[in-house]
Amino acid sequence: GENVEQHPSTLSVQEGDSAVIKCTYSDSASNYFPWYKQELGKGPQLIIDIRSNVGEKKDQRIAVTLNKTAKHFSLHITETQPEDSAVYFCAAIPQGGKLIFGQGTELSVKP
Amino acid sequence: DTAVSQTPKYLVTQMGNDKSIKCEQNLGHDTMYWYKQDSKKFLKIMFSYNNKELIINETVPNRFSPKSPDKAHLNLHINSLELGDSAVYFCASSQIGVNYGYTFGSGTRLTVV
Repeated sequence: GENVEQHPSTLSVQEGDSAVIKCTYSDSASNYFPWYKQELGKGPQLIIDIRSNVGEKKDQRIAVTLNKTAKHFSLHITETQPEDSAVYFCAAIPQGGKLIFGQGTELSVKP
Repeated sequence: DTAVSQTPKYLVTQMGNDKSIKCEQNLGHDTMYWYKQDSKKFLKIMFSYNNKELIINETVPNRFSPKSPDKAHLNLHINSLELGDSAVYFCASSQIGVNYGYTFGSGTRLTVV
């Protein structure tokens, strides 16, 4: 089955710096890659997603890139702010429609 | 107007008890899920129902029994609770065939003492 690996597990940046989180997946049939943000005491919230026919997608300060050949995708957050502090999860959906999560990255943005 | 709502938000109970968690979604989605988040924040799927039919059943002890009375509701009943069942349980929903985005509830923190 699909396996999603996520790095790093923790990431600390200064406010205004960029943050990058990387994920790899194992199932070449996976075709949808969402990113979720989980704040303390809340459920995961979808922040951006990318499909396998697209290499890059941007939404204001966040962007996601996908390299299908290498089977890896990344989340980029620019001009980080303290409110970006949260746990971020990458995920993949292989054939069968089951959302498989990476291990999560705890992002801390220091003012 | 909460899209996916779970009750209760917190549940503290003794070992050996039986408890239920309820979930409702008002998004008109046809598929609902239960995920378990452990102390290391790892999210793992447990069950999935599509239009009241069980479609995913991961390797979960049979003390856990989901039930979907209709496509807007998915409940989780747990018998003979064990210490290792302590976790946060998330309900989610999606519409299969459409953008694949899952919407999650805010979670139920279960503590078994």
